[in-house]
Formats: sequence, structure tokens, C-alpha cells
Amino acid sequence: AQTVTQSQPEMSVQEAETVTLSCTYDTSESDYYLFWYKQPPSRQMILVIRQEAYKQQNATENRFSVNFQKAAKSFSLKISDSQLGDAAMYFCAYRNPNAGGTSYGKLTFGQGTILTVHP
Amino acid sequence: KAGVTQTPRYLIKTRGQQVTLSCSPISGHRSVSWYQQTPGQGLQFLFEYFSETQRNKGNFPGRFSGRQFSNSRSEMNVSTLELGDSALYLCASSLGVRTSGELFFGEGSRLTVL
Repeated sequence: AQTVTQSQPEMSVQEAETVTLSCTYDTSESDYYLFWYKQPPSRQMILVIRQEAYKQQNATENRFSVNFQKAAKSFSLKISDSQLGDAAMYFCAYRNPNAGGTSYGKLTFGQGTILTVHP
Repeated sequence: KAGVTQTPRYLIKTRGQQVTLSCSPISGHRSVSWYQQTPGQGLQFLFEYFSETQRNKGNFPGRFSGRQFSNSRSEMNVSTLELGDSALYLCASSLGVRTSGELFFGEGSRLTVL
């Protein structure tokens, strides 16, 4: 079974600084998707960034970028120029698009990292 | 375009009762999945529906069930509630085709069992 591990229960960063959140996963599949989701205190889960395993290039979305190391099964999230609005719980998630051929909605989540941003 | 809508947002039940939660996906999305979020267990997959059929099920007892209607709206039901069922229940929708796989989440239904 696939597992996702986030080893940092809590992280903090000063406003305008850079922070990196860690994620490792375990799978025997070669084709899969990885995601970082953000859950602010309002609770709605929002997609931050996604990475397709077959793409070697690391995904980037504005201030958010990932370091995807497929061989090491590592998928870290870097937040540059941190803002107060980045404070939230961040979840790393894995999805295997080939699971059962029809499993579109099953994500395996890590335990989450609470990010605090200090002004 | 309206997002994923979950009702009710909050509810309190007592042990032994049953509860039904509702989820309306984004228009055009045909896949709906449900997750349970608790401080101890984190986010756990409950089940997934596509075209009114359950496509996948997580490791939960039979007290947890769901269904999907022809308009893609989904309901989940928990019977004979236990204290441990207290959780935030999240619904997510997706197009349901083999795309990049992004799921869009609702704000959740907070269930408290007394």
C-alpha cells in the first residue's frame, strides 16, 4: 500500500523568508501524481501545486515550487517570500491514476504540517 | 462557477443515532469522493462514486455508506453513531476522467457525537 510521510508536524517562518516542507512517499508504481494541498483555518482544502511523476521538471506556481526526487521518493514544497496568508496546514498527497482503472478520487494524504508565519 | 457545497456545516448527534451528509459537486464533475478528517488519524479515504456507482471504498465499517444521484450529488450516511465518528467529513469532486487528477474540496461537515 502507498504511504505518505510528512516528518515535520510544525514549521514556522518569518514573513518574506523562505521555508521548505518535507514529504516522502512509498509506492511501487511508476506513474502517479503528487499534490500539495493547503488547509487554512477556514478548513477548505485548496490545491497548491501538483506534479506528474513522468515529468522530470519540477512544478512551479508563483511563489510555490517543488523539489521532486523520484528515485528518492521525495517531494518537498518550497514557499518563497512567505506571506501571512500562507499560514495553514499543508498536506502532501499521492494518487495512483491506474488504481483499479477507475479510481479518480482516492488520495493518500500525509499527516500534515502546520505552518506558522511570523510578521 | 459554484464550488463544492456540503450541508450541513455543523451537526451534533448522540450515540446510536444516524446521520446523513450531503455534497453537491462542481457543475460538470461526475466523481465525488468522501474523506474523514480527525486529529488522530488525519485524512482517511471513505469512498468514491462515479456515475452513481461506488468505484472504491476505504477501510471503514459497514455503518458508513453512501450513494450518488443522477445529477452527481452525493450523500453519505453513518448509522449507529459512535463517539469515534466525531470528525470533519470532507467531500471532493473531480471531472472523473483520466486527467491531472485535481480534486476540489468542500468546506466540510463537522460532526460531533455526544
